[in-house]
Amino acid sequence: GAVVSQHPSWVICKSGTSVKIECRSLDFQATTMFWYRQFPKQSLMLMATSNEGSKATYEQGVEKDKFLINHASLTLSTLTVTSAHPEDSSFYICSARDGGGSPAGEQYFGPGTRLTVT
Amino acid sequence: AQSVTQLGSHVSVSEGALVLLRCNYSSSVPPYLFWYVQYPNQGLQLLLKYTTGATLVKGINGFEAEFKKSETSFHLTKPSAHMSDAAEYFCAVKGTGRRALTFGSGTRLQVQP
Repeated sequence: GAVVSQHPSWVICKSGTSVKIECRSLDFQATTMFWYRQFPKQSLMLMATSNEGSKATYEQGVEKDKFLINHASLTLSTLTVTSAHPEDSSFYICSARDGGGSPAGEQYFGPGTRLTVT
Repeated sequence: AQSVTQLGSHVSVSEGALVLLRCNYSSSVPPYLFWYVQYPNQGLQLLLKYTTGATLVKGINGFEAEFKKSETSFHLTKPSAHMSDAAEYFCAVKGTGRRALTFGSGTRLQVQP
C-alpha cells in the first residue's frame, strides 16, 4: 500500500521556538494532505487541509499564523509550529490522499510526530 | 454535517473471545465509513472501509464490519481476539462532499490472556 512518512518522529523544543514537521508521500502523488492533532487518549482533530500549490484551509479555531502549512510539491507538505508553547505539545499526524485514488478518498496516514514543548 | 459516536471508550475481552466495537454515524449524505487501528505512538492503519455495494466488509487481521443504514451503524467485529489486537480503534466517516475524515473518539481494546 501507499506509504506516508513524517519527520521527525519526535521533537523536544523550548518555548518560543519554531518547529517544522515534514510529511511525505513516498510512492504516490498527493494532491491533498491533511494535518491532524491528537491529544493523549483522545481522537484525531483535523487542523487543516492543504492542496498542492494553494493555501491551506484551516478548521475553525486553528490559528493559521501559528500553524503554518506549506504544500510545495505533490509529495511534500510541511507544518511549522511557530513560537511554540507547552500547550502545543501534542501528537501531530498527517495524511495524504492519492490524487488518482478511489472516490472514497482513502487517506494514508503517516506515523505521527510527538512534539514536546518545554 | 457528519459525526461519529463510538460506544465504549474501553473494551476488554479474553483471548479467543468475540470482539465487538460499536460505531454509529450521522451523515446528511451517503457516507463512506472506515475503521482504523492505532498502536501506541504510531499512525493509523486502515482496517477496512465501506463505500458502496456489499454491506458486509472484510478487512485485514480477520476483522469485518457491517454497514446497516437503518441503524446508522458500522460495528467492527472479529470472531476470536488475539493478544496482538490490543490497540486503539477509530471509526471514521466521510461524506461525498468533504475530503477529510471525521473520527470517533476511539475505543481502546484490551485483550486478556
